[in-house]
Amino acid sequence: DSGVTQTPKHLITATGQRVTLRCSPRSGDLSVYWYQQSLDQGLQFLIQYYNGEERAKGNILERFSAQQFPDLHSELNLSSLELGDSALYFCASSPRLESTEAFFGQGTRLTVV
Amino acid sequence: GNSVTQMEGPVTLSEEAFLTINCTYTATGYPSLFWYVQYPGEGLQLLLKATKADDKGSNKGFEATYRKETTSFHLEKGSVQVSDSAVYFCALSDSGTYKYIFGTGTRLKVLA
Repeated sequence: DSGVTQTPKHLITATGQRVTLRCSPRSGDLSVYWYQQSLDQGLQFLIQYYNGEERAKGNILERFSAQQFPDLHSELNLSSLELGDSALYFCASSPRLESTEAFFGQGTRLTVV
Repeated sequence: GNSVTQMEGPVTLSEEAFLTINCTYTATGYPSLFWYVQYPGEGLQLLLKATKADDKGSNKGFEATYRKETTSFHLEKGSVQVSDSAVYFCALSDSGTYKYIFGTGTRLKVLA
């Protein structure tokens, strides 16, 4: 158990809908990362937050957004969903900005039908 | 930009065979290197890591050595078990943002 909690574990929704994925980092970790794992793109970095502020952006679509709250949990919002958004979404956390090791949650499997 | 290249899978081995999964990287600076494992239906688990050149990471019989001269971090295990069947990902930690850059993953299947 990495100490990173993601909810829900599974999500099935229809095209055009909006969903919110939630991540609770390890206790005390300030940095949160979101990754997408899909069959065609592999594991891709989406976005990073540190202590409530956005720090780095990867290949994140404009339809996707994220935030980190004062209690350090983070949410990834996916809107106008398309079939191609079906993937496993991982959250990872690390203690500090310069930490080289991150701890991954179990992921949320999103299926868009 | 930074990148990680892994050998294509799937790799199929008999139990007790020797395993090597090749990983090479391209990076500016001196990134930390990692191997993660993903068992069927599960998330990513850190298998081992190395933070500087010539470091050897090891865990559960798996080993990998950070080779700066060949920009490689190959994963090895002397005797694989059926329970090692999983997908293995090589990754580096970007020295600027500390985000991970992953290889494409190598699926390992071990037969009894």
